[in-house]
Amino acid sequence: SQQGEEDPQALSIQEGENATMNCSYKTSINNLQWYRQNSGRGLVHLILIRSNEREKHSGRLRVTLDTSKKSSSLLITASRAADTASYFCATDAWGNNRLAFGKGNQVVVIP
Amino acid sequence: DTGVSQDPRHKITKRGQNVTFRCDPISEHNRLYWYRQTLGQGPEFLTYFQNEAQLEKSRLLSDRFSAERPKGSFSTLEIQRTEQGDSAMYLCASSLGVAGPYNEQFFGPGTRLTVL
Repeated sequence: SQQGEEDPQALSIQEGENATMNCSYKTSINNLQWYRQNSGRGLVHLILIRSNEREKHSGRLRVTLDTSKKSSSLLITASRAADTASYFCATDAWGNNRLAFGKGNQVVVIP
Repeated sequence: DTGVSQDPRHKITKRGQNVTFRCDPISEHNRLYWYRQTLGQGPEFLTYFQNEAQLEKSRLLSDRFSAERPKGSFSTLEIQRTEQGDSAMYLCASSLGVAGPYNEQFFGPGTRLTVL
């Protein structure tokens, strides 16, 4: 089964800097989603990008998808201390209905 | 609050006991999902419902696990004869289930289970 894998696993940056994390997957997908999880809490949906899309923006978030390389990236611009969290990518194959999550990226934004 | 809710938020039990968790999805959502997340890992899919029908179950869902969604609204997840390896965060999510390449899932806060 497919599985997202994020790289790098942990990232520590200064407030105001940009944070970039990558995700790779193994099989064809219908869409790819990014989620944020604050320590010990539920996941918050950030952005969904469909397999026929290459780039998507939402506020300070920018997601790219390269289906030929089976990879995606999430860019958080002008990071804030409140962005400190774990970020997961999750893939959804056509007709599958189950999300396959990666292990997550821990991002720490230092004020 | 119109988001996904889960109850209880925390559960501590002794090995061998049965536990039941409840999930209330967003009201207009007809798909409901259960995931399990262990420390340092991403969530793993357990099962999902389309209205009251349980359409898919993961191999992770052993015979000790059972999930129901009797009226197509809330769902329960029961674990019988709990084992220490069942300790995890159990997450519920719901989605509209719109046909086509769109399946945004909204997650609840989770139930953290600790089996002593």
